[in-house]
Amino acid sequence: DAKTTQPTSMDCAEGRAANLPCNHSTISGNEYVYWYRQIHSQGPQYIIHGLKNNETNEMASLIITEDRKSSTLILPHATLRDTAVYYCINSLRDDKIIFGKGTRLHILP
Amino acid sequence: GAVVSQHPSWVICKSGTSVKIECRSLDFQATTMFWYRQFPKQSLMLMATSNEGSKATYEQGVEKDKFLINHASLTLSTLTVTSAHPEDSSFYICSALKDRTSGNTIYFGEGSWLTVV
Repeated sequence: DAKTTQPTSMDCAEGRAANLPCNHSTISGNEYVYWYRQIHSQGPQYIIHGLKNNETNEMASLIITEDRKSSTLILPHATLRDTAVYYCINSLRDDKIIFGKGTRLHILP
Repeated sequence: GAVVSQHPSWVICKSGTSVKIECRSLDFQATTMFWYRQFPKQSLMLMATSNEGSKATYEQGVEKDKFLINHASLTLSTLTVTSAHPEDSSFYICSALKDRTSGNTIYFGEGSWLTVV
């Protein structure tokens, strides 16, 4: 079973920052926070992952709270192509990925 | 990034026949691959973990005799749906584990649509 909790859906205006929250209050010390997204009818796409520190790459930023019980994925300038289901996952490194229901993000023109 | 390819992208087969889906890691070796199934408007469900040179590990509730997995090389895993029925129609997705010292290690294929008629 997925161990994270995400809102079912969110809307964001095009060009604005999209902030997707995730609760993972039972995360263990050696589990990472991974974010993937799935655009309709495609395989999941890796976005970012982190353990304790905040992370940033060319796609997004990941903010992890100090107690690691929650995190936020930030898409700095959302575009219509960012419309997708976003999955927040806790997993050991190199371990299988168990998907929850994710957040359906709608980018509004 | 690393590339994982699935073939075919979509397939239609008759009830009672078997169909094979291939998952290839194109630019890296993968000792471990994973197979998922996804029904419309649902999340991905892990079916099994495929290990090169050994038997696959199936998740609870997945019939190993119906979903045959073979991982004969470090770049290829196959999923065979045997005696397919219409309820097996689904989107099948694989992922491959790439050995790295840092960064992301699991890469997903594009998925394969199976329709059983």
